[in-house]
Amino acid sequence: QVQLVESGGGVVQPGRSLRLSCAASGFTFSSCGMHWVRQAPGKGLEWVTVISYDGSNTYYADSVKGRFTISRDNSKNTLYLQMNSLRAEDTAVYYCAKDGLTDGDPRRNWFDPWGQGTLVTVSS
Amino acid sequence: QSVLTQPPSVSGAPGQRVTISCTGSNSNIGAGYDVHWYQQLPGTAPKLLIYGNFNRPSGVPDRFSGSKSGTSASLAITGLQAEDEADYYCQSYDSSLSGFYVFGGGTKLTVL
Repeated sequence: QVQLVESGGGVVQPGRSLRLSCAASGFTFSSCGMHWVRQAPGKGLEWVTVISYDGSNTYYADSVKGRFTISRDNSKNTLYLQMNSLRAEDTAVYYCAKDGLTDGDPRRNWFDPWGQGTLVTVSS
Repeated sequence: QSVLTQPPSVSGAPGQRVTISCTGSNSNIGAGYDVHWYQQLPGTAPKLLIYGNFNRPSGVPDRFSGSKSGTSASLAITGLQAEDEADYYCQSYDSSLSGFYVFGGGTKLTVL
């Protein structure tokens, strides 16, 4: 079955960097767009970034633009999120999620499935 | 403040019907973009509940239904069960300058 497993979370000081990984299995990873969505403690969901199936297109939420970079290695079925210049407000559980829409207008897209999440805590 | 507005909480007794609203604007739901719904059980990752306004993925009971009209959408749950107690989120696309994929703030459903 489709499975997404995140890793790489932890405690990091403000201003430092962290790289998250998401290992995918059970589907043709190289054919699917992938997302990162985060959830601050006790708060709602916030979409962070998306990457196209071949890595040629990426988009970011304004809150992370210029600091975070999404990438993928289709030979390893792995998605990444490089997070630089981390701030306290980046503290959250980070979920990777697969494009729900397999074809058509990406503006109609949803997220399915989601990984179990990895917690990033930015604190001195 | 979320782009899509949901009530913070709703409640109902077992067997009852509850609805959760999701109000947007002319740059998202009102522009014709689809609305999707997720269920997040305590301590777990979100799970897709409704996609494309009213479609249920396989395995989701038909007690859950979605609808959309104008700048709003709704999730209805009939025959409420204890295991439905969870947080529910709506999601759509926003075409404004700072928008992309957007979520509602979430609604906590309590089964009395």
